[in-house]
Amino acid sequence: SQTIHQWPATLVQPVGSPLSLECTVEGTSNPNLYWYRQAAGRGLQLLFYSVGIGQISSEVPQNLSASRPQDRQFILSSKKLLLSDSGFYLCAWSVLRQVETEAFFGQGTRLTVV
Amino acid sequence: AQSVAQPEDQVNVAEGNPLTVKCTYSVSGNPYLFWYVQYPNRGLQFLLKYITGDNLVKGSYGFEAEFNKSQTSFHLKKPSALVSDSALYFCAVRDMSNDYKLSFGAGTTVTVRA
Repeated sequence: SQTIHQWPATLVQPVGSPLSLECTVEGTSNPNLYWYRQAAGRGLQLLFYSVGIGQISSEVPQNLSASRPQDRQFILSSKKLLLSDSGFYLCAWSVLRQVETEAFFGQGTRLTVV
Repeated sequence: AQSVAQPEDQVNVAEGNPLTVKCTYSVSGNPYLFWYVQYPNRGLQFLLKYITGDNLVKGSYGFEAEFNKSQTSFHLKKPSALVSDSALYFCAVRDMSNDYKLSFGAGTTVTVRA
């Protein structure tokens, strides 16, 4: 069966420090991969999605970047964190280009920038 | 672009009463609709989906949803709510015009009182 791992679960970082959040998927190949951010326990904002290695689409201009160095690995990064980067970050995957399948989410990372 | 709307920020019901969480959609073509639930500080869990076929879709934890094409709605329902159903609920749609990404509603917080 497929599983998605996301870590760390919580993170407290000072303003100006770098960030690296990692997400890996097991049990499937060629997944669509997504990074979402959820502010204040409300709606989900899609940050990045990827349909393959090295293929990253950014949804909104921001202080973050994403990379997909391997088929089932998706990394969210920042060189210098801002206070506004605080939030709950969720990684997700779905079967590539199969519209009828649902997306599966990791357990999330709570990032607090201080 | 495809989209969904959740008109209620919050729904409050007594335990044992029916629960309804509303969702309306705007799509061109066939809709592919999903419901997710999120408990505090956790990732989203898939509940059910409508792809085609019967308008009444049954899902996890006793939830069901009714697809209504004429009203462009996909309301989530549970005949008898439990306190443990208290959570944040999201409706989502596959955006066929935007690389099959999932587009989420703003979320509805459900509180079930004992």
